[in-house]
Amino acid sequence: AQTVTQSQPEMSVQEAETVTLSCTYDTSENNYYLFWYKQPPSRQMILVIRQEAYKQQNATENRFSVNFQKAAKSFSLKISDSQLGDTAMYFCAFMKHEFTSGTYKYIFGTGTRLKVLA
Amino acid sequence: ETGVTQSPTHLIKTRGQQVTLRCSSQSGHNTVSWYQQALGQGPQFIFQYYREEENGRGNFPPRFSGLQFPNYSSELNVNALELDDSALYLCASSLLRDEQYFGPGTRLTVT
Repeated sequence: AQTVTQSQPEMSVQEAETVTLSCTYDTSENNYYLFWYKQPPSRQMILVIRQEAYKQQNATENRFSVNFQKAAKSFSLKISDSQLGDTAMYFCAFMKHEFTSGTYKYIFGTGTRLKVLA
Repeated sequence: ETGVTQSPTHLIKTRGQQVTLRCSSQSGHNTVSWYQQALGQGPQFIFQYYREEENGRGNFPPRFSGLQFPNYSSELNVNALELDDSALYLCASSLLRDEQYFGPGTRLTVT
């Protein structure tokens, strides 16, 4: 069964500094997608960044980048120049395709609560 | 382009009652997925609807059921509510194989 593990329940970072959130996953599939979502106190899950497993190049989106290590099944998120608005819960998610039903569903980690300090 | 919306925002029900939660998909999306997020946890997959048909289900009992309508909006119905059903219920819309866009959720409290 696929699992997603986020080993850091809480982290804090000073404004303008860089922070890295860890995520590991377990799968026997070769083609899949990985995502980082942000969930601020307003509760809305917002897509931060996505990575296709067949792409060797790490995805970047402005201040957000990932370090995708397929062999190690690791998918960490780096936030550069942290801003107060980055304070939120961050979830790592693996998109699983179930061939029997045709379902594409997310398996989420338990989340990392990030606090950006002024 | 309108985003995913959910109603109601909050709901309080009594154990044993039934509840219906609603979700409007983002324009152009034909797939809706529902997730349950207990306090302090990551979302757990309930089921997915694609073109009005259930397209897969997580480890949730049959008292969790759903519908998708021709305009791709969706409902989640929960019968015989239990205290453990208290959670944030998230709806996400997408094209089947693409990333999912989430609504703001419905906070359900069962007393």
